Amino acid sequence: EPEVTQTPSHQVTQMGQEVILRCVPISNHLYFYWYRQILGQKVEFLVSFYNNEISEKSEIFDDQFSVERPDGSNFTLKIRSTKLEDSAMYFCASSEDRTRAGYTFGSGTRLTVV
Amino acid sequence: AQSVAQPEDQVNVAEGNPLTVKCTYSVSGNPYLFWYVQYPNRGLQFLLKYITGDNLVKGSYGFEAEFNKSQTSFHLKKPSALVSDSALYFCAVTPRDGATNKLIFGTGTLLAVQP
Repeated sequence: EPEVTQTPSHQVTQMGQEVILRCVPISNHLYFYWYRQILGQKVEFLVSFYNNEISEKSEIFDDQFSVERPDGSNFTLKIRSTKLEDSAMYFCASSEDRTRAGYTFGSGTRLTVV
Repeated sequence: AQSVAQPEDQVNVAEGNPLTVKCTYSVSGNPYLFWYVQYPNRGLQFLLKYITGDNLVKGSYGFEAEFNKSQTSFHLKKPSALVSDSALYFCAVTPRDGATNKLIFGTGTLLAVQP
């Protein structure tokens, strides 16, 4: 069964450093997403991406965040200057269509900011 | 505001007994409805979805969910629980009107199945 692949599985970074989280969505999917889950809390939407541009973003997704699809397969989330409160599990997801099919999530990257 | 409620932080059930994990939503129109499961240190795995048609939806691992429009609920059920079902379960919805395609998640319910 096709999978969404995320790397690394765990990243530790110092406060103020830039991090890039990487994702390889399912190849025939057109919509890409990032969600995050702070420990013990619910899963929150960050951003959706379609046709090489952001289609929707949440209030969490401020200027410190950016997304990119640098080639035909990767989808990245960059945090420019990490804060302690950015520590969370970040999930990438992709979907075949806009809403009906549902999402396939990756296994997540646990980001720890120290 | 659009929201999803999972009123129980934890559900405890004995192996072999039926289980129900509750979910209600407050979203305009008839949203698409989903259940996901998260095992420790793992990602979100799709269990089932309601798009249209029969209100009883069958999904992976013997789970099913019943859509109730009048009660705006989408409770997850399984006739006979297994210890291996112990995990964190998330209900999620997305509006059908196409205004957004983000998933709105509930806070999750931890299912603990005792042997």
